[in-house]
Amino acid sequence: DAGITQSPRHKVTETGTPVTLRCHQTENHRYMYWYRQDPGHGLRLIHYSYGVKDTDKGEVSDGYSVSRSKTEDFLLTLESATSSQTSVYFCAIAPGPSSYEQYFGPGTRLTVT
Amino acid sequence: QKEVEQNSGPLSVPEGAIASLNCTYSDRGSQSFFWYRQYSGKSPELIMFIYSNGDKEDGRFTAQLNKASQYVSLLIRDSQPSDSATYLCAVNSYGGSNTGKLIFGQGTTLQVKP
Repeated sequence: DAGITQSPRHKVTETGTPVTLRCHQTENHRYMYWYRQDPGHGLRLIHYSYGVKDTDKGEVSDGYSVSRSKTEDFLLTLESATSSQTSVYFCAIAPGPSSYEQYFGPGTRLTVT
Repeated sequence: QKEVEQNSGPLSVPEGAIASLNCTYSDRGSQSFFWYRQYSGKSPELIMFIYSNGDKEDGRFTAQLNKASQYVSLLIRDSQPSDSATYLCAVNSYGGSNTGKLIFGQGTTLQVKP
C-alpha cells in the first residue's frame, strides 16, 4: 500500500461520539486525501491537504474536519458521529496535485450504531 | 457538476477473452486519466494512467484516450479469473496550481469466468 497505514482498521462507535481516524505515510508526499466509499456512490472526496496545515474541502465535507500538523500524518475527525457516516474510509497520497496518481491506504471500516 | 460515468456491469467475459471497460467524463479541461482495480474488501490499486490521446500499453492492459469524444477505456487482453474485480475510472479536475481533485466513476464490475 505504498507506505500508507490507516488506524484503526475497524471501529464501531455510538451515535454522538467523536471519532478520529489516522492516516500515516512514509513516502514524504505533499498531498493527502480522505475519501469515503459507499455502495451506489463510489469514492467521494471528504477533505484533502496540499501541505502541512494546508487543507481544503471535498464534495462531502459536512460533519468532518481534518488536521495536518506534519507531513506524514493526516487526521480525519467526526465531531459527533451519525449513522449516515457509517462507511469505509480511505486515505490516499500523491506526490503532486490532481494530475498525479494517487495511492490508497488499506481503509478503515467505521460503523456508527 | 463534473462527472465521470461508467457502466456498473457486471461485465462477464470468458477466460482468455478481451475485456473492454469504458468511461466518459464531462470536464473538457481534464488532463490526467487513471484506472484503478479494486478487489472486494480491498483498497483501490492503480493499474494504468494516461495523459495523451491514443493508446498506452502495459503488459495485458491497454488504456485508450480520446479527448475530443471525452472517453477513456481500458482493455484487458487474455483475461484471467484473477482479473475479476471492480475497475474504477478517475479523471482529474484541475483547481489551480496547488489544488485539484480526482473525480471517480462508480466502477465497473468485471467477472472472468473459467
